[in-house]
Amino acid sequence: KQEVTQIPAALSVPEGENLVLNCSFTDSAIYNLQWFRQDPGKGLTSLLLIQSSQREQTSGRLNASLDKSSGRSTLYIAASQPGDSATYLCAVNTGGFKTIFGAGTRLFVKA
Amino acid sequence: SAVISQKPSRDICQRGTSLTIQCQVDSQVTMMFWYRQQPGQSLTLIATANQGSEATYESGFVIDKFPISRPNLTFSTLTVSNMSPEDSSIYLCSAAVEGSGEQYFGPGTRLTVT
Repeated sequence: KQEVTQIPAALSVPEGENLVLNCSFTDSAIYNLQWFRQDPGKGLTSLLLIQSSQREQTSGRLNASLDKSSGRSTLYIAASQPGDSATYLCAVNTGGFKTIFGAGTRLFVKA
Repeated sequence: SAVISQKPSRDICQRGTSLTIQCQVDSQVTMMFWYRQQPGQSLTLIATANQGSEATYESGFVIDKFPISRPNLTFSTLTVSNMSPEDSSIYLCSAAVEGSGEQYFGPGTRLTVT
């Protein structure tokens, strides 16, 4: 059974700092991995999608990597801003859109 | 990409009543899903909404409690029946297009049952 774990559960950093959010999964047989952002009481915004054959994806200040063999993905946020404060969710698609979500990392960027 | 809207955005309901949540996608999508997010927790898949046929429910969720319709490729409804305070959650509609495998989410419906 696929399980997705995100570490840390919460993170507080000063503005401008570079940071890394971690996601691990127990079964390497995945179709893709997606990182989402969720603001309090809101829906999910897709940040990056990494297909199982890819190693990384970049969008602006965000970079996500995928190492299927070790069951890990990281989301790198460069030069963090207060507007980046949100919960970041990692989601693993095991095929047939059986998507398993991690519990999320709550990020707070202090001005 | 797909833009998803949900109605209502929030509601406060009495115990024992039912609420129907609507989900509209701006483009034809292959797959539509309904998720629940209980307070302080991550997302749990309730069911896959199949066009023109019965939804496929995940373990722990049943049709009598969460009836789902999907009359066409861009619209789906989820009903939360005979509500109890334990049903207080955010309910999220999701859509995906086969090929990329990317999922998109609606803004969610925040339900409070008193």
